[in-house]
Order: sequence, then C-alpha cells, then structure tokens
Amino acid sequence: KAGVTQTPRYLIKTRGQQVTLSCSPISGHRSVSWYQQTPGQGLQFLFEYFSETQRNKGNFPGRFSGRQFSNSRSEMNVSTLELGDSALYLCASSLGTGGIGEQYFGPGTRLTVT
Amino acid sequence: DQQVKQNSPSLSVQEGRISILNCDYTNSMFDYFLWYKKYPAEGPTFLISISSIKDKNEDGRFTVFLNKSAKHLSLHIVPSQPGDSAVYFCAARSNYGGATNKLIFGTGTLLAVQP
Repeated sequence: KAGVTQTPRYLIKTRGQQVTLSCSPISGHRSVSWYQQTPGQGLQFLFEYFSETQRNKGNFPGRFSGRQFSNSRSEMNVSTLELGDSALYLCASSLGTGGIGEQYFGPGTRLTVT
Repeated sequence: DQQVKQNSPSLSVQEGRISILNCDYTNSMFDYFLWYKKYPAEGPTFLISISSIKDKNEDGRFTVFLNKSAKHLSLHIVPSQPGDSAVYFCAARSNYGGATNKLIFGTGTLLAVQP
C-alpha cells in the first residue's frame, strides 16, 4: 500500500507570493490533517479535513487555507507569503477521525520564503 | 501556551542501556497520547500510543507510562540501539467538543544512542 505523498518536496518562493501544496493520503483514508514544523516550535496543527469538510482549525491567520477533494486528496494554500512561513509542512492521513487509529505522515514539503 | 512540553531538547545514552524520554501536559481533557519518531528529511513515524484510561502500554522494546495525576508521560526504550537515534515527539489529543484527529505536539527530544 502506497504511503502518504506530498508534492512538491521542496519549494522556494518570494515574499508576497502565494503557494499551493498537495497531499495524497493513503488509499481509503478519509481524514487529512496539516501541520507546520519550525525549529523550536515542534509541529503545529493547521487544519483537519474529513470527507471534504474542515473539522478543525488551528491558530493560524486566514492566509492559510485548505480544501479536500472527493478522492480525499487535499491541498493547502498560503497567500501573501511572509519570511516566517518558511517551514516544513506535513500532512497526515487517517482512516477516520477521533478514533485511536494512528495517523500516517507524509515526508513533508520544505517551503523557503526569501 | 505550550500544552505539551518536552523539557529535554536532547538526550544521549549508551547502546544497550535504557532511554527515558519525558513529556508533560497541562490540559486535563486530553484523552489519548502518542509518541512519534522522526528522522531527518522524513515525516514522523508512529511509535506507540496510550489511552487516558490506562497507565501503561508496551510494544516490544517500547513502553509508555502515563501518570494522569502528575500530567506526565514517559517513553522507555530498552535496550536502546543506534538505529533509535532520532527526534522523538510526544503528542496529545482531546475529543472534548467533537471527534478530531488534531494533535498537540511537544517540541521534540533528540535522542542519540552511542555505540
């Protein structure tokens, strides 16, 4: 079974631009969550989608948005990029939501904003 | 406000000895706790979890202990192996307010196992 895939793996953008990151969950998984990892901050929750609906949202500005498609693939978009948005963006997929099943993480997209 | 804290940024142990990684939390509504391991350039990998109704869960060399009164959990690795060298993240979840997969992560502990 293929794991969680994220594209692109690396991205360099300029301040003020926007970016779209993609996540394909494990086949059959309906929940996708997004996290931002920065040095010293650990992983911080961005949002969770389940069956195309946003279930939960973290404390990030409105510049961060996401969506989920009917095939469970998810995208996240960051508009008006700032230098502080440079981070590793991880997505995780799970069969359902709220259960004790583990979440499987993708390798991440490394975003650098210059 | 850091609800999940890992106060040791790094830990070094000898191969074959026990590694103990600690995690403290502040939110009494957390009902599920997990440990993830992360190698550079890879996503976190699930290691072991524990429900808040238990105080211990064991899986091979890995054991997680939960002390709810102290709001503290720990991960024991016995015996430690060089391949265990990685960053370990503690995470917690609360279904209070509705089912969710939202995890609150600690900042991680870098474990180095010396041969």
